[in-house]
Amino acid sequence: GQNIDQPTEMTATEGAIVQINCTYQTSGFNGLFWYQQHAGEAPTFLSYNVLDGLEEKGRFSSFLSRSKGYSYLLLKELQMKDSASYLCAVLTDSWGKFQFGAGTQVVVTP
Amino acid sequence: DTAVSQTPKYLVTQMGNDKSIKCEQNLGHDTMYWYKQDSKKFLKIMFSYNNKELIINETVPNRFSPKSPDKAHLNLHINSLELGDSAVYFCASSHSSRLDTQYFGPGTRLTVL
Repeated sequence: GQNIDQPTEMTATEGAIVQINCTYQTSGFNGLFWYQQHAGEAPTFLSYNVLDGLEEKGRFSSFLSRSKGYSYLLLKELQMKDSASYLCAVLTDSWGKFQFGAGTQVVVTP
Repeated sequence: DTAVSQTPKYLVTQMGNDKSIKCEQNLGHDTMYWYKQDSKKFLKIMFSYNNKELIINETVPNRFSPKSPDKAHLNLHINSLELGDSAVYFCASSHSSRLDTQYFGPGTRLTVL
């Protein structure tokens, strides 16, 4: 089967750093994407990795280790507006078929 | 100038009815998708069309039928609605099906009573 696992919920304070881990076991791998989804809204793209290593985009960074089937999303200098669900998604083929994790709800407290 | 739009945003209907959800994108993308997000928040792909051709057809009941009149539109028709069809349905599009970011529509919350 295909599995994408990420923690259900994480809580952190404003200004802090939070790391959301994602482990995956899928039949194919063409890249790993991270999406942000606020309650009642559509997912929006944050970052993606195809090769091993760290990709940095402003306050958000994403890391990938293909040999370990592992990725993480790092959120720095947390702001209240970062409270949302963060979805880990693996592109499993070359036709755009994504397998999504259940999402990690990040709660930012003052 | 919404990039990916869906109508309706909310849909409440009785079991057994037939309903359609429309999706349009004005990004000039070649590929469009339908996803279902259930109460547990899992986002699962249902269908994908590339230039009006079906390229992904996951295991969904044949009561669900996508239709793509042109590459800017992908509609979803659902026959004989069941309680388990209640979910949020998202349309998405990407420039091509390969390694391209998918842009999601606002979602259609379907409630079957």
